[in-house]
Amino acid sequence: DADVTQTPRNRITKTGKRIMLECSQTKGHDRMYWYRQDPGLGLRLIYYSFDVKDINKGEISDGYSVSRQAQAKFSLSLESAIPNQTALYFCATSDGEGSGNTIYFGEGSWLTVV
Amino acid sequence: GEDVEQSLFLSVREGDSSVINCTYTDSSSTYLYWYKQEPGAGLQLLTYIFSNMDMKQDQRLTVLLNKKDKHLSLRIADTQTGDSAIYFCAESEFGNEKLTFGTGTRLTIIP
Repeated sequence: DADVTQTPRNRITKTGKRIMLECSQTKGHDRMYWYRQDPGLGLRLIYYSFDVKDINKGEISDGYSVSRQAQAKFSLSLESAIPNQTALYFCATSDGEGSGNTIYFGEGSWLTVV
Repeated sequence: GEDVEQSLFLSVREGDSSVINCTYTDSSSTYLYWYKQEPGAGLQLLTYIFSNMDMKQDQRLTVLLNKKDKHLSLRIADTQTGDSAIYFCAESEFGNEKLTFGTGTRLTIIP
């Protein structure tokens, strides 16, 4: 089983609809992240959380919200989806020890807004 | 803010060495990473280097860091078809709390 699981893996939604992407992890990590990937732009950080109830804005938080109600779960919401939010979204976790081998990515969630 | 730049595409013949380059602007970068993304998959950490090192080797992978020029490279020796992927350079100032990623370099292997 994957250490970081994202659901749904693929979703098509209409403009103006609310959509939630969920992430769960079995690593026991405190730190969780949501990134967005667009072709030619790499990955950009949307929100991150260092602990339950801790929420921090990343580089591109406008139009998104998150919830961290439990250590293992970090959800990303688009309250009113728009077409330029069509992208591949990644959840990631780390234990925050500062070494390079302890960050884990989920397999990604493709979101298309039509 | 921080900026990390890479070329978008690289084509290499099977068996040759691949060299993927990356430049960054944040002089406070502490950790520099290379990630690999295969089609339909998430990002896999390949290797990382601390900013006080100038080289790190791990089997077919060699990372070179020129801190003065803020230039990082990943060399893949004896490139194989399984190395086809997008390779991302990333940097972090305080470890892995927040990573700033480059655009990714798509490596294509020519038979």
